[in-house]
Amino acid sequence: EDKVVQSPLSLVVHEGDTVTLNCSYEVTNFRSLLWYKQEKKAPTFLFMLTSSGIEKKSGRLSSILDKKELSSILNITATQTGDSAIYLCAASGFNKFYFGSGTKLNVKP
Amino acid sequence: SAVISQKPSRDICQRGTSLTIQCQVDSQVTMMFWYRQQPGQSLTLIATANQGSEATYESGFVIDKFPISRPNLTFSTLTVSNMSPEDSSIYLCSVEDPREGGSTDTQYFGPGTRLTVL
Repeated sequence: EDKVVQSPLSLVVHEGDTVTLNCSYEVTNFRSLLWYKQEKKAPTFLFMLTSSGIEKKSGRLSSILDKKELSSILNITATQTGDSAIYLCAASGFNKFYFGSGTKLNVKP
Repeated sequence: SAVISQKPSRDICQRGTSLTIQCQVDSQVTMMFWYRQQPGQSLTLIATANQGSEATYESGFVIDKFPISRPNLTFSTLTVSNMSPEDSSIYLCSVEDPREGGSTDTQYFGPGTRLTVL
């Protein structure tokens, strides 16, 4: 059965901390791994990863895919309260996306 | 990325009634997707809506309960029929990256519809 598993389920940190969110996947005909940030209703796109070992970076956020380990990590450095959200990982298969349950990040001042 | 709008943004409905959610995209896209996110849960795909053909439903979702229309490449509707409190969720439409040469492996989401069924 195709699935995506995220860990931890929730995380509480203080501003300035660095966090690492984990995502593992088992998806038939895997094509890409995506990260989203969900604050209210709609997830907003962060990264799409297709190649192993190539880090994608956007400001304080970065992500990397390990196809051998069927996993990905999302790093956030120097966290801010505005980073508080649910972070969703999704893996695309053939014409379909599989979402993990998300990691709820709470950044305290 | 595509600009996606959804209507209504939220609604409170009575048990047994139906609600139609609209999704409009500012560019033509081949595939549109409808998701449900129940409280505290992740996204669950309801169906894939392709223009000119019947929607493809995921296991556990049926056309009688969630009829979908896709009259053109920029618009789709999802109806939640004969609602019960268990249908209270956020409903999201999404599209693949429509840019020419853009990856079809990236999905962008509309703002969502928060439905509460009493």
